[in-house]
Amino acid sequence: EAAVTQSPRSKVAVTGGKVTLSCHQTNNHDYMYWYRQDTGHGLRLIHYSYVADSTEKGDIPDGYKASRPSQENFSLILELASLSQTAVYFCASSAPRVDQDTQYFGPGTRLLVL
Amino acid sequence: GEQVEQLPSILRVQEGSSASINCSYEDSASNYFPWYKQEPGENPKLIIDIRSNMERKQIQELIVLLDKKAKRFSLHITDTQPGDSAMYFCAASVGGSNAKLTFGKGTKLSVKS
Repeated sequence: EAAVTQSPRSKVAVTGGKVTLSCHQTNNHDYMYWYRQDTGHGLRLIHYSYVADSTEKGDIPDGYKASRPSQENFSLILELASLSQTAVYFCASSAPRVDQDTQYFGPGTRLLVL
Repeated sequence: GEQVEQLPSILRVQEGSSASINCSYEDSASNYFPWYKQEPGENPKLIIDIRSNMERKQIQELIVLLDKKAKRFSLHITDTQPGDSAMYFCAASVGGSNAKLTFGKGTKLSVKS
């Protein structure tokens, strides 16, 4: 199975602080995604990337930045963390080819902003 | 953007019975519809998917139906077992691209023995 890892697995941050969540995949996938999961909201797309050095805004990008320095790595950056950003964050990757486009999710990062 | 509605949000069934989850979408260009299962504390995992060139797909006890005219798709789990208890999410591709998905809000399925 495809391998997507995330770090840290959990984090406590202070309001106004900077938080960086990291994602690494060894699937040779071109596409990578960041989602947040909140109870009652399912999975919502924050940012995604089709290729290294390029990122796209998802459905809820406000308050988040993303960085894709290489095919394998994709980071999510909260410059000024807020209480409302407490959530579980999932990274995922997929290949662009039809029938190989399953999104594989990492284990998630639990972020608590105090 | 694409909106996906998923119902019910909570579903309780007896072991051995069937469970059905329904989703609807808005974008007629959507052509890829995966279903994910998420167990507590775990990540979502793909269990079955269907593309717009199909109306029905079955993998063991999982059946997915797609009605493109009505913009609806559904997951049916036959002969449910306690191990089927989990959160289930439907999703639809955004436009004709399979790269970007919009997810439903999820269904919490509980199978009682």
